[in-house]
Amino acid sequence: AQSVAQPEDQVNVAEGNPLTVKCTYSVSGNPYLFWYVQYPNRGLQFLLKYITGDNLVKGSYGFEAEFNKSQTSFHLKKPSALVSDSALYFCAVRDAGGFKTIFGAGTRLFVKA
Amino acid sequence: DGGITQSPKYLFRKEGQNVTLSCEQNLNHDAMYWYRQDPGQGLRLIYYSQIVNDFQKGDIAEGYSVSREKKESFPLTVTSAQKNPTAFYLCASSREVGPAPYEQYFGPGTRLTVT
Repeated sequence: AQSVAQPEDQVNVAEGNPLTVKCTYSVSGNPYLFWYVQYPNRGLQFLLKYITGDNLVKGSYGFEAEFNKSQTSFHLKKPSALVSDSALYFCAVRDAGGFKTIFGAGTRLFVKA
Repeated sequence: DGGITQSPKYLFRKEGQNVTLSCEQNLNHDAMYWYRQDPGQGLRLIYYSQIVNDFQKGDIAEGYSVSREKKESFPLTVTSAQKNPTAFYLCASSREVGPAPYEQYFGPGTRLTVT
């Protein structure tokens, strides 16, 4: 069975500081991994996805994610946070041999000016 | 502009009434999905459809029904059998052809309140 865990309900960072939002996953086969962002009262927007072979994935708005197979993690990172990055972030996983995508519970990011 | 539309944005119903949420996409995607979002629980899959005239139950299908008569449309009916229907409902679609992996594209959501 697939599962994904986002261990932090909330992450607080100061503007200009680096940010990390953590995600760990479990799948029986090879993983397809994604990060999405949700701004208040809106749908989710795709940020980035893991493609086999690229352990560091770059996505929209300056975000990147680091895939670590041995730790089954896919942490979201940004070198310098902006106040406008404040939102709800979801990690998602799909088994490459399957169809369903499982979403984490979400991590709320607050960036303080 | 291509995208997914959901209507209405806000919906209010009395307990015991069925209600249908609309979802339309013009992305030419084969697959469509319905999710329910509750605070602190992430997104939970209600139903999904890989092709026209075919759909499968997700993790929380009880009290919901769907149809997929056209590629562009995937309406969700919340029936009176759904015990706790008040939630934010999100529709999504994905390409499912060409090189994987396939990200999902989401509509703006419908917030349903049942009293």
